[in-house]
Amino acid sequence: EVQLVESGGGLVKPGGSLRLSCAASGFSFTNAWMSWVRQAPGRGLEWVGHIKGRADGGTTDYAAPVKGRFTISRDDSKNTVFLQMNSLKTEDTAMYYCTSDLGVAVRPLFDFWGQGTLVTVSS
Amino acid sequence: QSVLTQAPSASAAPGQRVTISCTGSSSNIGTAYGVNWYRQLPGTPPKVLIYGNSKRPSGVPDRFSGSKSGNSASLAITGLQAEDEADYYCQSRDSSLSSYVFGTGTRVTV
Repeated sequence: EVQLVESGGGLVKPGGSLRLSCAASGFSFTNAWMSWVRQAPGRGLEWVGHIKGRADGGTTDYAAPVKGRFTISRDDSKNTVFLQMNSLKTEDTAMYYCTSDLGVAVRPLFDFWGQGTLVTVSS
Repeated sequence: QSVLTQAPSASAAPGQRVTISCTGSSSNIGTAYGVNWYRQLPGTPPKVLIYGNSKRPSGVPDRFSGSKSGNSASLAITGLQAEDEADYYCQSRDSSLSSYVFGTGTRVTV
C-alpha cells in the first residue's frame, strides 16, 4: 500500500523558514517524481514544485511564486522528500500535500497524495 | 490566477448527469500533454479520477468519463450519487509557464 506521510508544518512568522518532510513507502521511491502541491484555506490547488527521480537526473522545477525561496530535495536512502521554505510570506499559508508521480500511466500525474501538513505564516 | 478555468459550481439531482468543463489554451490543454481530473471530498486530499484525458484508474466506476477537444476538457458524471458531492479539479502542464497547472475547481452538489 502506498503511503505518503508529511510532517513539519506549523506556525511561523513572515520572513521565517520551515522544513517539511514526506516519508514514502509502498512503491519504488528512487525513480519516482515527487511533487509538493498546496491549498490555501478555502482555495484551489496550486503546484509548488517537484524533484525528478534518479533516472531522470533528480532535477527540480518550481512554480513562479516560490522560485528562489523554496527548495525541494530528496534522500533516497530514507525514501523521504523535503521542502525547505525560506522567506515565508503570509500568502504561503496553506495545507501542503506531498504527491508522487510514478510515471506508470501518463506524466504528469499526481497519482498518490499524503494527508497534508498545515503551514500558517502569521505574525 | 489559474490558467485553467472551471465553473465554480454545478448541481444535479440524484441519478442525473452533470458535466464539468475545463477551459485552457494552446499552451496547456491544447498540447500533447493530457488532462487529468481529481476529486477532493471534504477534509481529504485529492484523488485521481481520470488520467490521460479519458482513462480511469482501477476502482473508479464507469459513471465517470473524461474527454478533450481542442483547448478544453470535460468530466461527465452519470447516475449522480450523494457521495459524489465534492470539489473536482482538472490538471495539465503549461509549456509557456513550464509548470503544472490546476483548474480553479468545481464544487458539485447533489
